[in-house]
Amino acid sequence: QSALTQPASVSGSPGQSIAISCTGTSSDVGGYNYVSWYQQHPGKAPKLIIYDVSKRPSGISNRFSGSKSGNTASLTISGLQTEDEADYYCCSYAGSSNFHVFGTGTKVTVL
Amino acid sequence: QITLTESGPKLLKPTQTLTLTCTFSGFSLSTSGVGVGWIRQPPGKALEWLAFIYWDDDKRYSPSLKSRLSITKDTSKNQVVLTMTNMDPVDTATYYCAYSVRFDPWGQGTLVIVSS
Repeated sequence: QSALTQPASVSGSPGQSIAISCTGTSSDVGGYNYVSWYQQHPGKAPKLIIYDVSKRPSGISNRFSGSKSGNTASLTISGLQTEDEADYYCCSYAGSSNFHVFGTGTKVTVL
Repeated sequence: QITLTESGPKLLKPTQTLTLTCTFSGFSLSTSGVGVGWIRQPPGKALEWLAFIYWDDDKRYSPSLKSRLSITKDTSKNQVVLTMTNMDPVDTATYYCAYSVRFDPWGQGTLVIVSS
């Protein structure tokens, strides 16, 4: 099971919107509506920010939104803020055998 | 409030077996639908899912590591234990446990270094 593909880095200015892609296959991203996204600040544990493609856990800002088209899922951060600077990982269910697969990770820089 | 805490050795020699314990509170692993997973992250690298155990003792393993992994639970102690055999320097990583198939929340992680 190969890792999902994400861009290594994405940057934007405060207030702008950015999007991070997460490309898999029909056996993972494209086959199930179980894509989640995690935010990880340096030295910290990952934090769930999106689950089931587009749902936000309680307490997560509505500036974070998720979507999916075919084998590619996307995380959009609108109104970019300095505290959004972090690493972001997608994760998809991949069936009962492979279970879960993470993405390669994207470093978001706020210019 | 759900919390998880990982514990185990910080330094191992190659070929040794790693045993990590995830001690949790705020839920019971005897409750239908509940589960705990393990994920690792080598320094400066991406997350990698390792194993998952459900309340009914159903277990899932990463296909690439399945032969080396074992996950068990002790419901009375609120603990999940992960063992990984034949450790190698490439297994040096921070190991996390997390609640549910959504992996939410995570423990703080424990760094395991494999070196001779």
